[in-house]
Amino acid sequence: AQKVTQAQTEISVVEKEDVTLDCVYETRDTTYYLFWYKQPPSGELVFLIRRNSFDEQNEISGRYSWNFQKSTSSFNFTITASQVVDSAVYFCALSEAHTGNQFYFGTGTSLTVIP
Amino acid sequence: DTGVSQDPRHKITKRGQNVTFRCDPISEHNRLYWYRQTLGQGPEFLTYFQNEAQLEKSRLLSDRFSAERPKGSFSTLEIQRTEQGDSAMYLCASSLSSSGATDTQYFGPGTRLTVL
Repeated sequence: AQKVTQAQTEISVVEKEDVTLDCVYETRDTTYYLFWYKQPPSGELVFLIRRNSFDEQNEISGRYSWNFQKSTSSFNFTITASQVVDSAVYFCALSEAHTGNQFYFGTGTSLTVIP
Repeated sequence: DTGVSQDPRHKITKRGQNVTFRCDPISEHNRLYWYRQTLGQGPEFLTYFQNEAQLEKSRLLSDRFSAERPKGSFSTLEIQRTEQGDSAMYLCASSLSSSGATDTQYFGPGTRLTVL
């Protein structure tokens, strides 16, 4: 079974629009970690954020914000006022305490921001 | 502070040949990971090292795949007798271990393998 589901395969938005990327995870561990990475066309995965299962506070970093809801097993990512440079594939990942440092990635959401 | 580097960036080989990829982690990082990423998919975990010890290798795809980190610094991933299905991006990541918590992994640019 897929541990991380990113149901949105591709999203296109016009520059300056807000966009939310969904991530739903599945785990039986009570201690786990969630991550978001950005993969631009160059291919290198860029770390964006890390969250542990005991910290449900939402986080904002500039135009980026994350909404972690354990009740729905979701860790969604919102980009406000999107820019062309935000065009990339975004991956959500899960790490469970009992498997240590193995990351389980979703299939990614390809975001295209149209100027 | 330099990031994770991988060499080569691209490799084209013929089916049946052996290939070896190298990864140099961020200098103070003691953990190193290998992932495979096929088109349209997220990275898939293969193996990881803490210093020179390979702590997890059950996820290596077959016995044709092997990895080493002999001195706890750089690592190599070897694929023997390559098959067309091995064509993929091979990603390396590194992290600094923190007790009792999962590390944040920092990724290199990857090596794109094409098997003809």
